[in-house]
Amino acid sequence: RKEVEQDPGPFNVPEGATVAFNCTYSNSASQSFFWYRQDCRKEPKLLMSVYSSGNEDGRFTAQLNRASQYISLLIRDSKLSDSATYLCVVNIPSRGKLIFGQGTELSVKP
Amino acid sequence: GAGVSQSPSNKVTEKGKDVELRCDPISGHTALYWYRQSLGQGLEFLIYFQGNSAPDKSGLPSDRFSAERTGGSVSTLTIQRTQQEDSAVYLCASTGTGRRTGELFFGEGSRLTVL
Repeated sequence: RKEVEQDPGPFNVPEGATVAFNCTYSNSASQSFFWYRQDCRKEPKLLMSVYSSGNEDGRFTAQLNRASQYISLLIRDSKLSDSATYLCVVNIPSRGKLIFGQGTELSVKP
Repeated sequence: GAGVSQSPSNKVTEKGKDVELRCDPISGHTALYWYRQSLGQGLEFLIYFQGNSAPDKSGLPSDRFSAERTGGSVSTLTIQRTQQEDSAVYLCASTGTGRRTGELFFGEGSRLTVL
């Protein structure tokens, strides 16, 4: 079983749609969580951290459920420019490294 | 610049040759990571440095792969006797300590093509 698993893609949605991605992690020692965005043929960049109480940044909302060991990313009113691959990342301090999920591809169509 | 710098940005080599990829992290960042990404695939962890030591090198695919970091700064990933399956983008990332640990700053990658 992979340490970090994401919804399989691709997600094809129309502009203005709301889309949600889920990510599950297997190591209960995981302490911090992030969503990264990767545009085609570009390097990943941090989109947002995920806090225990949930957090929002404009059209983006991240949630963490420690009991069920999953995190989610909700994108409201999706834009064409949101088309990218979204990577779930988990930090396990005892492992000393950041674990990336395989990513979920989002394609927003006009 | 102030970001993570990788070189070369593109490398085409013949099967069996050795290649060296370089990463210059953000100044002051203690942790440095190497990942590999094949076309259309996710990021594959290779090795992680904390300072000059590598607590986790579990992701290195074979003994043809090695990496070192000197002076707590520049890192070099070496691939000996390259094979076609080594073709990928090799990404380096660094991060500091403190509250924002986990915010990785990536370089633009080194695209390796083995003919």
